[in-house]
Amino acid sequence: AQSVTQLDSQVPVFEEAPVELRCNYSSSVSVYLFWYVQYPNQGLQLLLKYLSGSTLVESINGFEAEFNKSQTSFHLRKPSVHISDTAEYFCAVSTNSGYSTLTFGKGTMLLVSP
Amino acid sequence: KAGVTQTPRYLIKTRGQQVTLSCSPISGHRSVSWYQQTPGQGLQFLFEYFSETQRNKGNFPGRFSGRQFSNSRSEMNVSTLELGDSALYLCASSSGQGAETQYFGPGTRLLVL
Repeated sequence: AQSVTQLDSQVPVFEEAPVELRCNYSSSVSVYLFWYVQYPNQGLQLLLKYLSGSTLVESINGFEAEFNKSQTSFHLRKPSVHISDTAEYFCAVSTNSGYSTLTFGKGTMLLVSP
Repeated sequence: KAGVTQTPRYLIKTRGQQVTLSCSPISGHRSVSWYQQTPGQGLQFLFEYFSETQRNKGNFPGRFSGRQFSNSRSEMNVSTLELGDSALYLCASSSGQGAETQYFGPGTRLLVL
């Protein structure tokens, strides 16, 4: 079985400051890693994913995450946040079992203030 | 392409009743997964349907069931509702091939009184 730990339930930052949202996972098999974002009263949107290859993956809106196998981590970073980045962020894993099942962390609420 | 749609968006029921939620996946997607989201437990996997067959199931009681039709639309049913079933129910569709991206609908918010 897999599990995901998001160490911070809430991260308050000021606009234009850098941010890191932490994610650690546990699995006995190889995993694929995802970050999803959820805005209020909406479903989840994929932010970025790591399947294989380069351990640094980027999204179109300035977020990036780095897969670290030795530390079993997939932390999400952004060098400069905007008010519009305020949302809940979920880290998730799946395996290459052929199923589409995602195991999610509890989520981190990113609160950006002016 | 149209996104994943879920109906209804909001629902209020009383304990003991049953409820049916519907999910229409993105055209061409054959996999539909259902998740329950609550403040206490977070996002938990309910089940996945692929080509009308349930191929994976989470750790939920038998009161939670689902099905998938030949057009890939899916329904989930909860019988004998309990207060703890109040949640946001999300469905996600994908091609069903392993790590392909899952696309989520806006969810159905169920309140059980």
